[in-house]
Amino acid sequence: DAGVTQSPTHLIKTRGQQVTLRCSPKSGHDTVSWYQQALGQGPQFIFQYYEEEERQRGNFPDRFSGHQYPNYSSELNVNALLLGDSALYLCASSYGVVGYEQYFGPGTRLTVT
Amino acid sequence: AQKVTQAQTEISVVEKEDVTLDCVYETRDTTYYLFWYKQPPSGELVFLIRRNSFDEQNEISGRYSWNFQKSTSSFNFTITASQVVDSAVYFCALKAGYSTLTFGKGTMLLVSP
Repeated sequence: DAGVTQSPTHLIKTRGQQVTLRCSPKSGHDTVSWYQQALGQGPQFIFQYYEEEERQRGNFPDRFSGHQYPNYSSELNVNALLLGDSALYLCASSYGVVGYEQYFGPGTRLTVT
Repeated sequence: AQKVTQAQTEISVVEKEDVTLDCVYETRDTTYYLFWYKQPPSGELVFLIRRNSFDEQNEISGRYSWNFQKSTSSFNFTITASQVVDSAVYFCALKAGYSTLTFGKGTMLLVSP
C-alpha cells in the first residue's frame, strides 16, 4: 500500500521564477492538503483540495495556487518566487473533506536563490 | 481561531531518561482533535496519536504515553526510557470542526548515548 508520494525531492529556483510541486495521495484517500514549513517552524496550512476544488485556504497570497486531478493527485504552483518561499512543502492526504487523520508525504525542499 | 503552543524549543536528555514534551492549545470549539507527530531528519511527519475532546483517558503505547487534561488545555507527551532513535522534532497539532490542522512550533528532542 503506497503512502503519500511527492516530487521532486529537492528543487532550486531563482527569484521571480515559477515552480510546480506534485503529490499523489495514499491509496483510498481523496483529499489533499498542502503545508509550508519554514526552517525551525511548524507546518503552515496553504490549502486543501477535495473533489477537484479548493475547499479551504490558509493565509497565503494568490501566487500560491493548486489543482487536483480526477485520480486525486494534486499540484501546488507558486508564481513569482520570493526568497521567503524557501521551505519544505508537505502534502498530506486524508479521506473526506473533514479528514480526521492526515498522512504526510516526505516533502519537497524548495530553495529560492 | 485555533492556537497550539509548545513552549519547549529544544530538550536534551541522556539515553534511558524519561522526557515530557508539553503542549497547550486554544480553541472555542467543543469538539476537536489533538495530534502528535514526529519529524525525523528525513522530514516526513509521522503520525503518533489522535485524541478527541471527549476522551480524556490517558493512553500508553509502549514507551510513549499521553496525558490529556481539558481543565488546563494541555496534551502532554512522555517518552519513557528514551533512546537515540527518539531524536526528532515533535509537533503537537489541533483540528477543530472543519478546520485543518494547526501545528505548534515543535520541540526538538536530542537523545545522546
